[in-house]
Amino acid sequence: AQSVTQPDIHITVSEGASLELRCNYSYGATPYLFWYVQSPGQGLQLLLKYFSGDTLVQGIKGFEAEFKRSQSSFNLRKPSVHWSDAAEYFCAVGASGNTGKLIFGQGTTLQVKP
Amino acid sequence: DTAVSQTPKYLVTQMGNDKSIKCEQNLGHDTMYWYKQDSKKFLKIMFSYNNKELIINETVPNRFSPKSPDKAHLNLHINSLELGDSAVYFCASSPGLAPVTDTQYFGPGTRLTVL
Repeated sequence: AQSVTQPDIHITVSEGASLELRCNYSYGATPYLFWYVQSPGQGLQLLLKYFSGDTLVQGIKGFEAEFKRSQSSFNLRKPSVHWSDAAEYFCAVGASGNTGKLIFGQGTTLQVKP
Repeated sequence: DTAVSQTPKYLVTQMGNDKSIKCEQNLGHDTMYWYKQDSKKFLKIMFSYNNKELIINETVPNRFSPKSPDKAHLNLHINSLELGDSAVYFCASSPGLAPVTDTQYFGPGTRLTVL
């Protein structure tokens, strides 16, 4: 069965520091992978997605993610974190078939220290 | 000009009551979804509708009944509310006939508290 694991429940980084959020997936075929961000009291917003092609994907707000098939990972990175990046981050894999079903990880809470 | 809106934002009610949450999207999308986010922030799909037709029904108790009067609206009715129904419910929409590659656009959520 498809699944997504985000090993880090909570991460704290200093403003201006680099960030990497981990995501591991379990999927038989080529996965469709997504990163969403949820700001406090808000709905989820898509940061980026990967379907095929270049394994380094650029997204909004200066985020990027790298698909590594050998490690079943799709880690999210940002070179310099801003205080406004404090939020909940969700990795998701798209289920096969035309249902639009997304399977989400448990989420990682990012706290940014001034 | 909110893309996906939900009402109410907060809902506090007693066990055993029946309540509804409304969702509307003005994006012209064909597919709409309901997700449940529990207290541990775990997000799971409940239902999806494409052009008023049910596509996904994820082993949700039949106390939950989605209703789509038209493709811009997907409401969630919950009968006989239980403590375990307390969660944040998110509505979402996507443009196409639900290919997994479509971006889903989420509403702000409805926090349901059952006392």
